[in-house]
Amino acid sequence: EVQLLESGGGSVQPGGSLRLSCAASGFIFSSFAMSWVRQAPGKGLEWVSGLSGSGDNTYYADSVKGRFTISRDNSKKTLYLEMNSLRAEDTATYYCAKALSNSPKNLNYWGPGTLVTVSS
Amino acid sequence: QTVVTQEPSLTVSPGGTVTLTCASSTGAVTSGNYPNWFQQKPGQAPRALIYSTSNKHSWTPARFSGSLLGGKAALTLSDVQPEDEADYYCLLYYGGAQPEVFGGGTKLTVL
Repeated sequence: EVQLLESGGGSVQPGGSLRLSCAASGFIFSSFAMSWVRQAPGKGLEWVSGLSGSGDNTYYADSVKGRFTISRDNSKKTLYLEMNSLRAEDTATYYCAKALSNSPKNLNYWGPGTLVTVSS
Repeated sequence: QTVVTQEPSLTVSPGGTVTLTCASSTGAVTSGNYPNWFQQKPGQAPRALIYSTSNKHSWTPARFSGSLLGGKAALTLSDVQPEDEADYYCLLYYGGAQPEVFGGGTKLTVL
């Protein structure tokens, strides 16, 4: 059974940093692209970042480019999102999602999400 | 900045049929955009329904179907059930450095 579980969310001041993790199980982690998607309170979904199974190819939304870094440790079956220079508008529930292949398109499984609050 | 547009809200009667659409600011949506559809109920994570325009996941009910319609991606719900009341999001793939864009979502009310 595929399972994804995010962690690392919490409250942080503007300009601060946070690292999210997503622990995966139930599939060959290194064979599939992964993505981060966020949802601000009461708002829609926003694709944030993705990377290939090997981690060689990374992709970012313009809203986070230069501030967020996606990475993965295939030996630990864990996906990460390093978030720096956080802003109030980064406040959201962050979901990790598994792709159907080594490309970030076609997402199938999602984690329950972790809440990030950026506030002074 | 690519914008993906969905109907903000739709209402359907139980047992009825409704079609949700997903349009791209770059032009017609094609199979190359690999349209995905997701359902999200309050307090829950999104659940994938459709990938690559019309393919269903193993858990997707048969009453959900995906297609391309008039230059847009479309999600059709037939024989709508009360439990289908939810927010629905489409996701389009554009390739490049920022390959994925979600639509704004459609709030479906079953009334």
